Amino acid sequence: QVQLKESGPGLVQPSQTLSLTCTVSGFSLTSNSVHWVRQPPGKGLEWMGGIWGDGSTDYNSALKSRLSISRDTSKSQVFLKMNSLQTDDTAIYFCTRSLGYYDGYYHVSYVMDAWGQGASVTVSS
Amino acid sequence: QITLTQQAESLWISPGERVSITCRASQSLLYTDGKHYLSWYQQRPGQTTKALIYHASVRTDGVPTRFIGSGSGTEFTLSIEHVQPEDFAIYYCLQTLKSPWTFGGGTKLELK
Repeated sequence: QVQLKESGPGLVQPSQTLSLTCTVSGFSLTSNSVHWVRQPPGKGLEWMGGIWGDGSTDYNSALKSRLSISRDTSKSQVFLKMNSLQTDDTAIYFCTRSLGYYDGYYHVSYVMDAWGQGASVTVSS
Repeated sequence: QITLTQQAESLWISPGERVSITCRASQSLLYTDGKHYLSWYQQRPGQTTKALIYHASVRTDGVPTRFIGSGSGTEFTLSIEHVQPEDFAIYYCLQTLKSPWTFGGGTKLELK
């Protein structure tokens, strides 16, 4: 059974760094990609970035300067680190598995077929 | 970046009715493999977000047949036939053709 579970601090101070962990089960990180999506309170979804099965990463250009995604395949964990947090980074942060393939040029993904419950993060002093 | 527009923020319907949710892309979502990289998701309170449709019209495993995805190019529709009480939720479209992946703003189905 495919499962993803986010964990991390619920409260982060402004200007500090957010660190989240996504622990997965039921699939291999070396043959699947995992992505991060966030949702501010009462608002829509924003794709943040992801890490592909080969370990390469892709980031939303709006967040790229602050964001880092990495993994530890031996622990089945994917990590998100984002620095210089501000109050508008307050959101629920989801990790998701995405299905796709590499066509020789691009990583092609067609669906985020499994989602975690999300980790609520509040940025406040 | 590709913008996805879901015109309706809310739709009020009664159980048993049919409803269509539209998603318009700022450019074609057709890839060189002949498939559209447009998917649909359902968010319900207390539940994990659920993938309903991918490649514009393919239902994911276990999704009821009353959920129908259609469209091509830049115009896509998620239709729900005979809406059930558990279908009252927020629906999002997502394009994964080009980075950054982008979601539509969401459409909330509300009880009339």
